[in-house]
Amino acid sequence: DVKVTQSSRYLVKRTGEKVFLECVQDMDHENMFWYRQDPGLGLRLIYFSYDVKMKEKGDIPEGYSVSREKKERFSLILESASTNQTSMYLCASSSGSSYNSPLHFGNGTRLTVT
Amino acid sequence: GDSVTQMEGPVTLSEEAFLTINCTYTATGYPSLFWYVQYPGEGLQLLLKATKADDKGSNKGFEATYRKETTSFHLEKGSVQVSDSAVYFCAPHGYGQNFVFGPGTRLSVLP
Repeated sequence: DVKVTQSSRYLVKRTGEKVFLECVQDMDHENMFWYRQDPGLGLRLIYFSYDVKMKEKGDIPEGYSVSREKKERFSLILESASTNQTSMYLCASSSGSSYNSPLHFGNGTRLTVT
Repeated sequence: GDSVTQMEGPVTLSEEAFLTINCTYTATGYPSLFWYVQYPGEGLQLLLKATKADDKGSNKGFEATYRKETTSFHLEKGSVQVSDSAVYFCAPHGYGQNFVFGPGTRLSVLP
């Protein structure tokens, strides 16, 4: 089974801090994604990557950046955390370019910015 | 762009009741269709999928049929259990597009 591991389940950070959310997948998937999940809004795509060192903006990239130095690892960076970035963050991966391939999700990181 | 509409709920049912969660979508081209489930405290996991018209996806007693003519992919289960309490997401995925997720439907099953 594919395993997508997010390094923290819960994080509490202060406004203005730089925050790193880490995600690792163990199935050699090419594609990796970062979503945030908020009540009533569903999942919104922040950034995605189809290959090492490649990154693409999703629907809500403002205030975020990403890094993919190795195929298995995709990091989400909040350059200067703000309270409106308090949310559940979900990492996902998928294989290849087929649109029949499902996403595999980690268990999420609940971030609180105070 | 692509979009999905599903009832937000919460949907509350008694154990062994029949479940339907409606999902309709708009998409360019011919998307694959997915249902994901999120149990409390966990990430989303694939429940079932269908990749072409009239295909039926099924898993754990859940079923959904790809209806191209009505652009729908309604989720059904004949007899729900307390353990089915979760949030359910319908997600079309078109060629060259990213997944589109709706707000999810929260299901509570009472014993």
